[in-house]
Amino acid sequence: QKEVEQNSGPLSVPEGAIASLNCTYSDRGSQSFFWYRQYSGKSPELIMSIYSNGDKEDGRFTAQLNKASQYVSLLIRDSQPSDSATYLCAAMGDYKLSFGAGTTVTVRA
Amino acid sequence: GAGVSQSPSNKVTEKGKDVELRCDPISGHTALYWYRQSLGQGLEFLIYFQGNSAPDKSGLPSDRFSAERTGGSVSTLTIQRTQQEDSAVYLCASSSLGKYEQYFGPGTRLTVT
Repeated sequence: QKEVEQNSGPLSVPEGAIASLNCTYSDRGSQSFFWYRQYSGKSPELIMSIYSNGDKEDGRFTAQLNKASQYVSLLIRDSQPSDSATYLCAAMGDYKLSFGAGTTVTVRA
Repeated sequence: GAGVSQSPSNKVTEKGKDVELRCDPISGHTALYWYRQSLGQGLEFLIYFQGNSAPDKSGLPSDRFSAERTGGSVSTLTIQRTQQEDSAVYLCASSSLGKYEQYFGPGTRLTVT
């Protein structure tokens, strides 16, 4: 079993809609969680970090963390074609990041 | 400010040759990480340096892989006797002291023929 699991997608949403990405993790010792965006042929770009239960909002992005359920999510509001990318969920243990396989999002104009 | 830089951006080598990949972290960042991204394995941790402490090498896949960090800044990842399964994108990341966010460089795409 992988340490971090993501819904495999691909996820296709119309422009202006909400994209919802989910992630679960197996290591209860993980305390820090991150979402990275990766465009095709590029390296991962950090878009959100979350450390406490609840919601964290940054612009059109909202990350949610539920440590009891070992669940992390990312909402992208008012999705734009420029949001089309692969989104990687990562959990930190002992300063190392464990990544999910990623969810590919396509925003239809 | 400047981000993490890596060189070369692309490297094609023959099976059995040694390669060196370089990473220059964000100025002032004390922690440096190497990861590898391949189609079959996703993004996986290789090695972690924090300041002058002994590195965490727990992710290195074999003893053909080694890394060093000179002067607490630039790091070199060396792969000896390369194999075709070493073909991947090698990514370097850095973070500042007391912070958990890791920022990635552009990566080196290694192709072993």
